[in-house]
Amino acid sequence: KAGVTQTPRYLIKTRGQQVTLSCSPISGHRSVSWYQQTPGQGLQFLFEYFSETQRNKGNFPGRFSGRQFSNSRSEMNVSTLELGDSALYLCASRTSGRAGEQFFGPGTRLTVL
Amino acid sequence: QKEVEQDPGPLSVPEGAIVSLNCTYSNSAFQYFMWYRQYSRKGPELLMYTYSSGNKEDGRFTAQVDKSSKYISLFIRDSQPSDSATYLCAMSVSGNQFYFGTGTSLTVIP
Repeated sequence: KAGVTQTPRYLIKTRGQQVTLSCSPISGHRSVSWYQQTPGQGLQFLFEYFSETQRNKGNFPGRFSGRQFSNSRSEMNVSTLELGDSALYLCASRTSGRAGEQFFGPGTRLTVL
Repeated sequence: QKEVEQDPGPLSVPEGAIVSLNCTYSNSAFQYFMWYRQYSRKGPELLMYTYSSGNKEDGRFTAQVDKSSKYISLFIRDSQPSDSATYLCAMSVSGNQFYFGTGTSLTVIP
């Protein structure tokens, strides 16, 4: 079974631009969560989508948004990029019946110049 | 105070040693406890998953949860150079939203 895939793997943007990241979960997984990972803060929860609805949201500004499609694929958008948004963005998927067992993709490394 | 505290290390041990990694937490409602391993330039990989308290063993890995002390541990027996990675603990109340430690960097020296 294929794992979680994320595209693109690397991105370089400048301040003020916006960016869209994509995540394809493991087949059959309907829950997709997004995380931001930085050296200082570690892994921080952004939001979770389940069946095209945002179910949980972390403490991030409204510039960070996401959506999920009917095939469970998810996208994350960051508008008006800031230097501090440089991070590894990770997507994780899980099945609804196995709380806690989430599987991560390789991440998208975003650099904001 | 952060929800989950984890010593960042770095931790360096000789091959074959027993490694002990720990996290403390403040939210007594946490019920799901996980350990992840993350290699450089990769996403975290789920190693151990425990619901509520107690011990769980999987090969060379043992996870312990002490809810009375709000303390969890991961033990690695007979450590190998391939165990060199960053280890992240994670916790959740309901299994929907997860809180991670900042990770402990481990190097196993051949």
